Amino acid sequence: DAGITQSPRHKVTETGTPVTLRCHQTENHRYMYWYRQDPGHGLRLIHYSYGVKDTDKGEVSDGYSVSRSKTEDFLLTLESATSSQTSVYFCAISEQDLSSPLHFGNGTRLTVT
Amino acid sequence: GESVGLHLPTLSVQEGDNSIINCAYSNSASDYFIWYKQESGKGPQFIIDIRSNMDKRQGQRVTVLLNKTVKHLSLQIAATQPGDSAVYFCAEDSSGGYQKVTFGTGTKLQVIP
Repeated sequence: DAGITQSPRHKVTETGTPVTLRCHQTENHRYMYWYRQDPGHGLRLIHYSYGVKDTDKGEVSDGYSVSRSKTEDFLLTLESATSSQTSVYFCAISEQDLSSPLHFGNGTRLTVT
Repeated sequence: GESVGLHLPTLSVQEGDNSIINCAYSNSASDYFIWYKQESGKGPQFIIDIRSNMDKRQGQRVTVLLNKTVKHLSLQIAATQPGDSAVYFCAEDSSGGYQKVTFGTGTKLQVIP
């Protein structure tokens, strides 16, 4: 799995609570990404990072924030979870931002009740 | 082929036969294409990629064909094995970085022993 660890693997939380998902990589890749995967949709980009402290929004960033204080760690925070954020979240890394494949972690299944 | 519906199209193939999975992409400016395999409970795994200056690329037991005229991509798997059972999806990149990459929803491949 290209040295990518996501934690936790599963989480159930209540509406309105904050949640933080963690992605840790051992590949020293510059680029890191958070995606969500829902039935009927392809992977959708939430936020991405192109270096320590350098992040930007993706297609579905509303309700999410990220932080990257070290090359190896990329955190995704749901400030106040909603039921629409029930999903499977994948972290990915790549060596380059253009024309190179992504390597994914095994995901976090988040259920917001 | 791929679908944006809730139910993934399914391709059932006898073990040992060849499989062909199709993908229609939307952006004529896309110049890099990737196939991923996703097994149940795991993250997507890179299989093979192709750039728009090629129309065919071969890997180990897999071949990707690109037809830019009709915006069509296919993945051929030779001598399909039970371990090939998974969801396969394509991604297209128009050189706008990963914020511009579009992922398909996938085709489920079932290998019949």
